[in-house]
Amino acid sequence: QSVLTQPPSVSGAPGQRVTISCTGSSSNIGAGYDLHWYQQLPGTAPKLLIYSNINRPSGVPDRFSGSKSGTSASLAITGLQAEDEADYYCQSYDISLSGVIFGGGTKLTVL
Amino acid sequence: QVQLQESGPGLVKPSQTLSLICSVSGGSITSGGYYWTWIRQHPGKGLEWIGYIYYGGSTYYNPSLKSRLSISVDASKNQFSLKLSSLTAADTALYYCAGGRQKVVATPFDYWGQGTLVTVSS
Repeated sequence: QSVLTQPPSVSGAPGQRVTISCTGSSSNIGAGYDLHWYQQLPGTAPKLLIYSNINRPSGVPDRFSGSKSGTSASLAITGLQAEDEADYYCQSYDISLSGVIFGGGTKLTVL
Repeated sequence: QVQLQESGPGLVKPSQTLSLICSVSGGSITSGGYYWTWIRQHPGKGLEWIGYIYYGGSTYYNPSLKSRLSISVDASKNQFSLKLSSLTAADTALYYCAGGRQKVVATPFDYWGQGTLVTVSS
């Protein structure tokens, strides 16, 4: 069981908005460590999607946005497209575990 | 643009030691304050952080793997490596090398290799 909790799956129709939550605790997100998001398309390596809670690397569409509050964070995807169908992971650091942690991943299905 | 490429054996026997190399191109492995990282993904599962080495030489390991793990840098070859001993079938996974540019332990991983599949089997 992952220290960061994500829903196993979410789905939405093209054009819709979906959100993916990432719930942590006072030893990771709540301790002030940044939260990052990755997109993993089928058969490919993960790609950094959002870093430091809210920032998009160059080239990532502004349809993707991140937020963080307390011990949780969220990834929002607006204007859902078929190519957004992928696995999404959150990542942070845990002071109690003394290491990097990932969420269990969320599979996004575009209906 | 930094690029990473993993190399190593695809098949290793139980109890043996896995050695993987990550070759870095497009930048010096000793510059920029990178966290050079190994991450693995068991078949059909999520991502697991294995450990990283900071450019100054400090290493940080997943506590669950620490007793079997070593990560090092070979600056002369612009490479970093992973050694994982006492392998079992549970170590069968896709192994990624990655690089994090922020000078903090919670660095995001900006750069990823394509991954190399390691199977532990006799």
